Amino acid sequence: DSGVTQTPKHLITATGQRVTLRCSPRSGDLSVYWYQQSLDQGLQFLIQYYNGEERAKGNILERFSAQQFPDLHSELNLSSLELGDSALYFCASSVWASLTGTSDNNEQFFGPGTRLTVL
Amino acid sequence: AQKITQTQPGMFVQEKEAVTLDCTYDTSDQSYGLFWYKQPSSGEMIFLIYQGSYDEQNATEGRYSLNFQKARKSANLVISASQLGDSAMYFCAMREGRDNYGQNFVFGPGTRLSVLP
Repeated sequence: DSGVTQTPKHLITATGQRVTLRCSPRSGDLSVYWYQQSLDQGLQFLIQYYNGEERAKGNILERFSAQQFPDLHSELNLSSLELGDSALYFCASSVWASLTGTSDNNEQFFGPGTRLTVL
Repeated sequence: AQKITQTQPGMFVQEKEAVTLDCTYDTSDQSYGLFWYKQPSSGEMIFLIYQGSYDEQNATEGRYSLNFQKARKSANLVISASQLGDSAMYFCAMREGRDNYGQNFVFGPGTRLSVLP
């Protein structure tokens, strides 16, 4: 158990709909990262938040957005869903620059993922 | 251009033998980090090992070691004494950027390792 929780575990929805994925980082970790893993694109970095602020953007579509709340949990919002959005969405949190101190290795602890199926 | 290249889509190794999974990377940053993750069939991502670009010694974690050759931009994972439980997908990844501003994370396509009894 990495200490990162993600809900829901599975999500099935229809094209055109909007969903929200939730992530709670490890206690004390300030950074949250979102990734999408699909068969054709592999693992893609979407976005990073640090202590409530967006810090880095990867291959995130405009239909997708995220935020990190004061309690450090994060939500990834996916709208106008398309069949191609079906994927495993991972959240990770980083031990680097956590509230308890700093670490050099910047290891990311991954949650179990949310499997999104768009029908 | 691919930032992380893993040239072996699939590998087989006999139980108890050592295996090397290849990874080459491309970055213009002076400060970066290299990671290996394992993804079993259950789907979770498990951190294995980390190498910082300024680390002079190769990283080791138990049966895992990272063969870091900076000039060649390679970061191969060596698993010693393979076990059946090592059968999984292995991803090489790179973090560019040192601090919490504008980091970029890139994963390779992965290598599927199968350990044979």
